[in-house]
Amino acid sequence: ILNVEQSPQSLHVQEGDSTNFTCSFPSSNFYALHWYRWETAKSPEALFVMTLNGDEKKKGRISATLNTKEGYSYLYIKGSQPEDSATYLCASGSGATNKLIFGTGTLLAVQP
Amino acid sequence: DGGITQSPKYLFRKEGQNVTLSCEQNLNHDAMYWYRQDPGQGLRLIYYSQIVNDFQKGDIAEGYSVSREKKESFPLTVTSAQKNPTAFYLCASSIDSGSRYEQYFGPGTRLTVT
Repeated sequence: ILNVEQSPQSLHVQEGDSTNFTCSFPSSNFYALHWYRWETAKSPEALFVMTLNGDEKKKGRISATLNTKEGYSYLYIKGSQPEDSATYLCASGSGATNKLIFGTGTLLAVQP
Repeated sequence: DGGITQSPKYLFRKEGQNVTLSCEQNLNHDAMYWYRQDPGQGLRLIYYSQIVNDFQKGDIAEGYSVSREKKESFPLTVTSAQKNPTAFYLCASSIDSGSRYEQYFGPGTRLTVT
């Protein structure tokens, strides 16, 4: 994988549903994996930065896992709420530079 | 309030004119970045700066120029050489250079060139 790929492209769920998204990234020369939440009319906001294989991070109902050997990360949202509606971006950093490669995002819509 | 400001929110220009997008941060961050977003594509890096008076080209630098004369400011000039300038532009900063540091984003500027 040469690029960062996210799936699905969009997701519509009902309030209370749990959901997850996938981010695939180049596993060679891996340095860091970022997750951002981007709400409409707002700035992207960092959720997690993960660097170690097997990392798991949690913030409230949102959690993320990282597998650097196979080059994927999962983002989980437990009990989705309407305020979780946003585009979720992942970005991979390779090497010691500060250049991130972003995926195209997963658009989540949570229906009340 | 600490953060990143970009101005203006919307910008309209005629083809052939240079235009400068403003980005200011009061987070005391060393590193700053400019990204471009186009429909159906991920954010793409235009230029980044690791420290004052230093900057490097990103993946799509052609037709753009930047300066970093002050730590808090990183203006982006879209020149007439940029073939497809109409896009949404995001500025970001991080406390230090290196991809392990989270980036803080501004609200963006939507540039339309006709």
